[in-house]
Amino acid sequence: AQSVTQPDIHITVSEGASLELRCNYSYGATPYLFWYVQSPGQGLQLLLKYFSGDTLVQGIKGFEAEFKRSQSSFNLRKPSVHWSDAAEYFCAVGARNTDKLIFGTGTRLQVFP
Amino acid sequence: ETGVTQTPRHLVMGMTNKKSLKCEQHLGHNAMYWYKQSAKKPLELMFVYSLEERVENNSVPSRFSPECPNSSHLFLHLHTLQPEDSALYLCASSQEKRTSGANVLTFGAGSRLTVL
Repeated sequence: AQSVTQPDIHITVSEGASLELRCNYSYGATPYLFWYVQSPGQGLQLLLKYFSGDTLVQGIKGFEAEFKRSQSSFNLRKPSVHWSDAAEYFCAVGARNTDKLIFGTGTRLQVFP
Repeated sequence: ETGVTQTPRHLVMGMTNKKSLKCEQHLGHNAMYWYKQSAKKPLELMFVYSLEERVENNSVPSRFSPECPNSSHLFLHLHTLQPEDSALYLCASSQEKRTSGANVLTFGAGSRLTVL
């Protein structure tokens, strides 16, 4: 069965600083990988996804993520964080042979001016 | 309206009440989902409907009863809930007719439920 781990519960960065949110997964094959963002009082919104091909994927709002098979990771990055990026970020893993989609517990991002 | 709309946004109910959560999607999607979001826990999939047929029920207690009258509307009927059922209930939809680990989900803003 697949699983996903987001090791950081809470991250604080200054506006303009770079950001990396970690996501590690456990799955026997290459999974489908997603990052979603949840702003306060809102539902989850898809930032980006990886299904196959180029391991560096670009998403909305200036985010990117890199799939590293050797590390079973799919970390989310942004070179310069804006105050509006403060939200909760969820990594999700989808299995290729079932319809299971597993979410991580989320990382709450706080941005200081 | 566009996207996925959930009502009510906030609901407080006693353990003996009966209430319903409503979800409506304006995207022409074919599958709809109910998720439960509790603090410090991963999102829990409760129910999935594809083309108005229930395709998954993840051992959810019978005090939660879903209804999908058509591909645009999804309800979650609540009856005799427990305080531990207090959570944010999220509705989502996806375009694909067949549920898959590759489905991209569009979420509503959620209904915050408090059970007293």
